[in-house]
Amino acid sequence: AQRVTQPEKLLSVFKGAPVELKCNYSYSGSPELFWYVQYSRQRLQLLLRHISRESIKGFTADLNKGETSFHLKKPFAQEEDSAMYYCALSWGSNYKLTFGKGTLLTVNP
Amino acid sequence: EAGVVQSPRYKIIEKKQPVAFWCNPISGHNTLYWYLQNLGQGPELLIRYENEEAVDDSQLPKDRFSAERLKGVDSTLKIQPAELGDSAVYLCASSSGLRNTDTQYFGPGTRLTVL
Repeated sequence: AQRVTQPEKLLSVFKGAPVELKCNYSYSGSPELFWYVQYSRQRLQLLLRHISRESIKGFTADLNKGETSFHLKKPFAQEEDSAMYYCALSWGSNYKLTFGKGTLLTVNP
Repeated sequence: EAGVVQSPRYKIIEKKQPVAFWCNPISGHNTLYWYLQNLGQGPELLIRYENEEAVDDSQLPKDRFSAERLKGVDSTLKIQPAELGDSAVYLCASSSGLRNTDTQYFGPGTRLTVL
């Protein structure tokens, strides 16, 4: 069965420090990987997807098939990055998203 | 554009009572999803609609949960009767349905508390 693991429930960093939110997945084929974010009092929204190979708000994520990981990184964290981050995957023609349990990122001033 | 609209935002009921949630997707989005999010967990898919057809309801507990999407636009999710363990946030999402990588746009959710 497909599974997404986010090993850290909480992550706290200082403003300007690098941040990495870890995501590992289990799936034997070629999945599509996403990062969703939920800011305080806002709805869940897409941050980025691996297929687009984009950088959003300074965040990047690289799919490492060998390590089955899709870690989210930002070189210099900002206070406005504080939010709940969810890693998710879909596969094949399946539109279903399988989410991890999420990591709450707090960026301290 | 209001995005995905859900109502009510909050609902408190006693166990064994029925409850219904309503969702209006983004205009033109053919695919609609209902997710369940328990405290401390990520969302889990309950049911997916392509227009008015439920194409994936494998995770929907059919003994007490039902859903419909008449006319392929708005959708209603019902629980009857509700149990204490149903307390959670119920999320609705929609996408254009063209590809499985399409962005899913989420509503604000309905927070259900069963007493």
